[in-house]
Amino acid sequence: KAGVTQTPRYLIKTRGQQVTLSCSPISGHRSVSWYQQTPGQGLQFLFEYFSETQRNKGNFPGRFSGRQFSNSRSEMNVSTLELGDSALYLCASSLGNGVPGYTFGSGTRLTVV
Amino acid sequence: DQQVKQNSPSLSVQEGRISILNCDYTNSMFDYFLWYKKYPAEGPTFLISISSIKDKNEDGRFTVFLNKSAKHLSLHIVPSQPGDSAVYFCAASSGGSTLGRLYFGRGTQLTVWP
Repeated sequence: KAGVTQTPRYLIKTRGQQVTLSCSPISGHRSVSWYQQTPGQGLQFLFEYFSETQRNKGNFPGRFSGRQFSNSRSEMNVSTLELGDSALYLCASSLGNGVPGYTFGSGTRLTVV
Repeated sequence: DQQVKQNSPSLSVQEGRISILNCDYTNSMFDYFLWYKKYPAEGPTFLISISSIKDKNEDGRFTVFLNKSAKHLSLHIVPSQPGDSAVYFCAASSGGSTLGRLYFGRGTQLTVWP
């Protein structure tokens, strides 16, 4: 069974640009969450989508947005990139009904220069 | 405001011995706790979880203990193996059966030496 797939794996962007990251969850999983990992802040929750609806949102500025499609695939977008947005962005999927543990993808490493 | 804390950034253990990783939390609304293991350049891998209605959960070499009064949980790995060397994250949720948002600790780097 395929795992959580995140594309691209690596990305270099310039300050002020925008970026879109993609996540394909495990087949049958309806919940997709996004996390940002940085050395200074650790793993920080961005948002969670369930059946195309945002169910939870973390404390990130409005420049960070996401969406989920009817096939459960999800995208997150960051506009007006700042140097501090450089991080590993992780996507995690689950059935969404309490089965223990999210399954994480390998992440997208975003570098803003 | 770090609601889940792992105060030991690193732990070094000899192969075959017990590894004990600790985690403290501040939010009494947390009702589900998870441990993840992470290798470099990979996403975190789910290890074991425990509901707040239990005080112990065991899965093979891994056992998680929960002390709600102390707001403390620990992960025991027995026996430790070199392949266990990784960063271990503790996470907590107040979402009940839907899990929802996870709050993570900063992680503990475990090194198991031969």
